[in-house]
Amino acid sequence: GENVEQHPSTLSVQEGDSAVIKCTYSDSASNYFPWYKQELGKRPQLIIDIRSNVGEKKDQRIAVTLNKTAKHFSLHITETQPEDSAVYFCAATDSNYQLIWGAGTKLIIKP
Amino acid sequence: ETGVTQSPTHLIKTRGQQVTLRCSSQSGHNTVSWYQQALGQGPQFIFQYYREEENGRGNFPPRFSGLQFPNYSSELNVNALELDDSALYLCASSQQGADTQYFGPGTRLTVL
Repeated sequence: GENVEQHPSTLSVQEGDSAVIKCTYSDSASNYFPWYKQELGKRPQLIIDIRSNVGEKKDQRIAVTLNKTAKHFSLHITETQPEDSAVYFCAATDSNYQLIWGAGTKLIIKP
Repeated sequence: ETGVTQSPTHLIKTRGQQVTLRCSSQSGHNTVSWYQQALGQGPQFIFQYYREEENGRGNFPPRFSGLQFPNYSSELNVNALELDDSALYLCASSQQGADTQYFGPGTRLTVL
């Protein structure tokens, strides 16, 4: 079955700098890769997603890249702001559209 | 915010008891997935329901069971509660065959 690994587990960056979170997956049949942001005590919120027929997608300060050959995908946040502080999860769908999640990255934005 | 709702928001039970959690899916969505999120970890897939039948299951024992109703709302039932069942239980709704899932606010279950 699908396995998703996520790094780093904690990332601390200066406000205004960029943050990059990386994930790898094992099932070459996976074709959908969402990223969720979860603030303390709240539900995961979809922030961006990418499908396997696309290599890169951008939405304002957030971008995701996908390398199908290497089976890895990354989240890029530019010009980080205090409200970006949260736990970020990557995920990949298996053949039954079931989400397999990474372990999460705690992003800390230092003022 | 999504249109997915869950009840109750918090629940405290003791070992051996049974619990039922509820989820109402977003309008137009016919598939509900349930996840368990232990503190400090990522969500773990429990099972998914489509057309009132289980449509895939993760690595959870049979004491975790569910239902889906004709209006696509869903229940998660857990029997013989154990301390390790303490977690945030999330449901997510989607359209069958579509990959995007939208999450409810979760139910925080504490087992004493």
